[in-house]
Order: sequence, then C-alpha cells, then structure tokens
Amino acid sequence: DQQVKQNSPSLSVQEGRISILNCDYTNSMFDYFLWYKKYPAEGPTFLISISSIKDKNEDGRFTVFLNKSAKHLSLHIVPSQPGDSAVYFCAASAQGGSEKLVFGKGTKLTVNP
Amino acid sequence: KAGVTQTPRYLIKTRGQQVTLSCSPISGHRSVSWYQQTPGQGLQFLFEYFSETQRNKGNFPGRFSGRQFSNSRSEMNVSTLELGDSALYLCASSLSPRGGLETQYFGPGTRLLVL
Repeated sequence: DQQVKQNSPSLSVQEGRISILNCDYTNSMFDYFLWYKKYPAEGPTFLISISSIKDKNEDGRFTVFLNKSAKHLSLHIVPSQPGDSAVYFCAASAQGGSEKLVFGKGTKLTVNP
Repeated sequence: KAGVTQTPRYLIKTRGQQVTLSCSPISGHRSVSWYQQTPGQGLQFLFEYFSETQRNKGNFPGRFSGRQFSNSRSEMNVSTLELGDSALYLCASSLSPRGGLETQYFGPGTRLLVL
C-alpha cells in the first residue's frame, strides 16, 4: 500500500514558467514532509521541508504548500530553470520527523530551454 | 568535509549468491539509514542504525540484514539474491536519528544487478 503517492511520473515545462509537482499521502500520522531532488548517478539531496503546523514554506524559487484536510502537498518552482531537471521525491515522516521516511515514487521534471 | 561514500558503486551477481554493501557516513554522523530504489517502488526504507543498534526496520524479508560498527560505518547484506533485488541501494547518514531529516545526507548509491 503506497502511503505517499506521486501520480505524475513525469512533467515537462518551459524555462521561466512555473513547475508544480504534486504529492498525496494516506497516513494521517504523517506530520513532516520533505522534498528531495535527485540527479542521475547521485543520491537524493534535500530541497525543502514543511511541518504540519504550517501550510506554506518558501525558500528562494521553491515553495511547498500543504493541505492537511486533503492530505496533499505540492512543490512550486518559479521560475523553472534547465538545471532543475531531475527526479523529485516527496517524503513523509511521523512523530515530528523522528520516524522513518516514506517516499513517493518520484516525478521526473524536464525543463526545456 | 567528505560526503557519504558507498562501495562498491556497481555490482553484478547471480541468483542465489549473497552480497555485502558498505557505507561510510560523514565524519561525526552516527546514524545510518539504508534505502532501496527501484523503478516500480521508488525509494523504500530498509533499516536505520544508530550507535551500532538497529533503531528502525522496513518491510523487507529477513534476507536483508545490516550492521553498524563502532566507527559508524555500516554494511548491509542480502543473502540468496533474487532477480527482484536488482536496484540502487542508497545509504544516508545524519548526526542522530532526531537530528532533523534535513540534515540527512545521501550517498551516490550502489547499483546492484542480479542475473
């Protein structure tokens, strides 16, 4: 049973436009969420996180939105750049982040020049 | 500061064999977690070690095991390999289990191919 779902395996956007990556979760015990970016032949790198006490967290071009009632979060990248092309993983944890991470299957983002 | 290193980077084995993968965490990090990444299942948590003790375990069969040494280096072992074990195995280290997931750093992974 997939507790964290990224229903779009891939997404293609034009440089300068907004990229929106979506993630849904089923476990109501999750209270900490993270986004990771992964380039080929490298391990995932942490991008941005959000606690369930917030509904938005912003870091430069990256913003994560959390809708607890819908059990949905999204990552917005504005403006998108070709270097953002990578696989993006959504991950969730319970107990304020002290429990194991549960990852989605990832969304491959391609930003076209 | 050197990052998380994993050896070997690539490995080819045949069904029924066993394999041992190694992970050296960032200096000072005492928590090591292992993940399996496959195209069909994404990233799945295998286990976490802290101070030589397994702290958490994912839903994998007993063929998957691990350990952590006093210098925080960790190994994972897969016995009686199956074709489905072909995957990228990622190791991640952090200062401690409660050190904040943002400070968990991943290694480049070991690509295992089972023939």
